[in-house]
Amino acid sequence: QSVLTQPPSASGTPGQRVSISCSGSSSNIGFNYVYWYQQVPGTAPKLLIYRDDQRTSGVPDRFSASKSGTSASLAISGLRSEDEADYFCASWDDSLTGLMVFGGGTKLTVL
Amino acid sequence: QVQLQQWGARLLKPSETLSLTCAVYGGSFSGYYWSWIRQTPGRGLEWIGKINHRGYTDYNPSLKSRITMSLDTSENQFSLKVTSVTAADTAVYYCARDHTGFGELTNWGQGTLVAVSS
Repeated sequence: QSVLTQPPSASGTPGQRVSISCSGSSSNIGFNYVYWYQQVPGTAPKLLIYRDDQRTSGVPDRFSASKSGTSASLAISGLRSEDEADYFCASWDDSLTGLMVFGGGTKLTVL
Repeated sequence: QVQLQQWGARLLKPSETLSLTCAVYGGSFSGYYWSWIRQTPGRGLEWIGKINHRGYTDYNPSLKSRITMSLDTSENQFSLKVTSVTAADTAVYYCARDHTGFGELTNWGQGTLVAVSS
């Protein structure tokens, strides 16, 4: 059971816009930055979005992210076949002694 | 461009100690945190802990009693040890550079699949 909650799957056709949600609490997303990672199966995750809504260098502006309260979302517009991957949200959690927490991941399928 | 390369034993028996090392190439070792994360199909991504260039460590409370992280600044390497492993420790282990110490994992190693089996 992951601390951050994501839908297990999402899908869209080329050119469409899809959104992936990430729900947390006041001890993580509510007071700390959200990060989004993209993982192609068999490879290491790659930082896509940092500090809630900042794109990492080289990430196309088709990718955008936002945060409100204890929830965040990642949006991908103009969907392309190469966007098919697993997407994870992450944040720091201030409960106990503090630790990094992840969402369970959303598998994005481009139909 | 910073690159991380990791290595270590890939097959362990229950009760043995997992040992992994990650080397940092092409960038400064100081000024960052260096993290370990593991991934399983069932539990997803799990943060194990971090260490900075001064040797300050911060561990996942659920694993703290079995974890030791260390570093060798002369070699730009950092290491992870997990004692008394069980099948539940079977996972792909990643090393990563944390830009802020709070989850901004900008660079990752290639991953090491560690299996624990009798």
